[in-house]
Amino acid sequence: NAGVTQTPKFRVLKTGQSMTLLCAQDMNHEYMYWYRQDPGMGLRLIHYSVGEGTTAKGEVPDGYNVSRLKKQNFLLGLESAAPSQTSVYFCASTRTGLTEAFFGQGTRLTVV
Amino acid sequence: DQQVKQNSPSLSVQEGRISILNCDYTNSMFDYFLWYKKYPAEGPTFLISISSIKDKNEDGRFTVFLNKSAKHLSLHIVPSQPGDSAVYFCAASWANDYKLSFGAGTTVTVRA
Repeated sequence: NAGVTQTPKFRVLKTGQSMTLLCAQDMNHEYMYWYRQDPGMGLRLIHYSVGEGTTAKGEVPDGYNVSRLKKQNFLLGLESAAPSQTSVYFCASTRTGLTEAFFGQGTRLTVV
Repeated sequence: DQQVKQNSPSLSVQEGRISILNCDYTNSMFDYFLWYKKYPAEGPTFLISISSIKDKNEDGRFTVFLNKSAKHLSLHIVPSQPGDSAVYFCAASWANDYKLSFGAGTTVTVRA
């Protein structure tokens, strides 16, 4: 049982480059989330989705876009990367909004 | 503005003793609370939860206490073991909100 899988695990970008982070879950969960973790800040919600074809903004959505074309996949895009987006990104999924979230292993992104 | 606060960034405890982690929240709508544990280079994993209709929930060595009037919860680990050394995140949610708000985390180090 793979759970939540994030691709890639590491990436270095130059300022201004774009990239897409992929999150895939095999638990048939409705809800999916993208968080970023920064030192002293905990986990902050970037965007989330409550079902296929839906997306919504979280706490820190600026500079990011998302898409949920298939129920099992949630993509996070950076159109023009900035050094402030250097962070560890976690994807999570839940069956409903009030159940435990399952997290991927994270993507460590460095923007130089 | 962080709605979930963990004011102690770190905690050091001797093996076999009790670890007490604290968490405060400001949003009175929160009615479901969770603790997550995170090892380096891994995603957070669910540890224990409590709903607002209870004031205590126990699972093996882990007990969570909720004081709604004080908007405070705590996680007790008894006895602490070296494998408990990790970052612990407090999180909260409420019905119809679909997402979790996380604290900044507390790093626990269990000394042999």
